[in-house]
Amino acid sequence: DAGVTQSPTHLIKTRGQHVTLRCSPISGHKSVSWYQQVLGQGPQFIFQYYEKEERGRGNFPDRFSARQFPNYSSELNVNALLLGDSALYLCASSLQGMNTEAFFGQGTRLTVV
Amino acid sequence: GQQVMQIPQYQHVQEGEDFTTYCNSSTTLSNIQWYKQRPGGHPVFLIQLVKSGEVKKQKRLTFQFGEAKKNSSLHITATQTTDVGTYFCAGRSQFYFGTGTSLTVIP
Repeated sequence: DAGVTQSPTHLIKTRGQHVTLRCSPISGHKSVSWYQQVLGQGPQFIFQYYEKEERGRGNFPDRFSARQFPNYSSELNVNALLLGDSALYLCASSLQGMNTEAFFGQGTRLTVV
Repeated sequence: GQQVMQIPQYQHVQEGEDFTTYCNSSTTLSNIQWYKQRPGGHPVFLIQLVKSGEVKKQKRLTFQFGEAKKNSSLHITATQTTDVGTYFCAGRSQFYFGTGTSLTVIP
């Protein structure tokens, strides 16, 4: 069985640019969450989507947006990139919602120069 | 906002020694989850605790949820090199991850 897949695995962008990160959840999972993990810190919650609706949002600026598609895959968009956006972006899927086990993808390493 | 702190931040142990990490929340938690992240890897779910005072065991790992549901601990008995990684607690399901404890096991 395929786990959570994220693309791309690595990405280098310039300040001010826009980026789109993609996530495919485990088959049958309806919830997708996004996290930002800076080196040496714990994952910081960005968004949670369940059944294509936003169910939770962390303390991130409006430059961050996301959506979930009918097939439950998801995109995270970040506009006007800043150097501080450089991080590992993790996607996690779960069967129902945030009270069930979360399965993480390998992440997308974003570097903003 | 809610904060979930973990201590210690780093722990070096000799292989065979025990290890404990503590998780403390500023507010009462409905449940707590524990994850392990190997160097260069992604978090992997270990367990979820829901009830006040709950204790769960997985082989050499013992997880405990405090009576007030504001703290939790993970204890590893007789560490092995395979235990190396960072251990995170996560409160309010996965909304709030702790700061993590990085475990190094010296062979």
